[in-house]
Amino acid sequence: EVQLVESGGGLVQPGGSLRLSCAASGFTFSDHYMEWVRQAPGKGLEWVGRIRNKANSYNTEYAASVKGRFTISRDDSKNSLYLQMNSLKTEDTAVYYCTRYSGSYTRGLDYWGQGTLVSVSS
Amino acid sequence: DIQMTQSPSTLFASVGDRVTITCRASQSISNWLAWYQQKPGKVPKFLIYKASSLESGVPSRFSGSGSGTEFTLTISSLQPDDFATYYCQQYNSNPYTFGQGTKLEIK
Repeated sequence: EVQLVESGGGLVQPGGSLRLSCAASGFTFSDHYMEWVRQAPGKGLEWVGRIRNKANSYNTEYAASVKGRFTISRDDSKNSLYLQMNSLKTEDTAVYYCTRYSGSYTRGLDYWGQGTLVSVSS
Repeated sequence: DIQMTQSPSTLFASVGDRVTITCRASQSISNWLAWYQQKPGKVPKFLIYKASSLESGVPSRFSGSGSGTEFTLTISSLQPDDFATYYCQQYNSNPYTFGQGTKLEIK
């Protein structure tokens, strides 16, 4: 059974940093691209970014709203995905979901974690 | 960036109704469109990929169509479990934007 479990959320002041983690199990983590999606309270889904697999040089892509502030990384030996968030703004307050990209043929997010809440407030 | 616009934002319907949600892209995305269902307090569920292919386990009352810039999600006969918010997402080019969502509510 595929499982994605996020951790690391919490309350942080504007300008602060936070690192989210996602522990993956039930599939060959190293084969898949992984992505982060967020959802502000009462709002819609917002794509945050992606990290490709080793075969694709672990390349990353980011939404403009987070580029230069957020960094996605992974450790295939630990089946783990990370989101380093720096220079946090109040508008970054959201539930952050770790997701698995289904693949180049199907192109969707087929598994989602339960999410971790990040609150940016003074 | 490609903008995704869903309509309507809210849709009122009854059990047994046939409903259609539209998703429009600001430029052509071929058929690289996914649909998701999200119930209150729950994680989004992947429904459809490549505009019209059903993800495994998704009931056949769900269907998708379209290509280029205009897409639809149709539920042929609404069931109580279908009242939720639906999102489209384009996977043609970075950033892989979502539509704003369509909330399907009981009439």
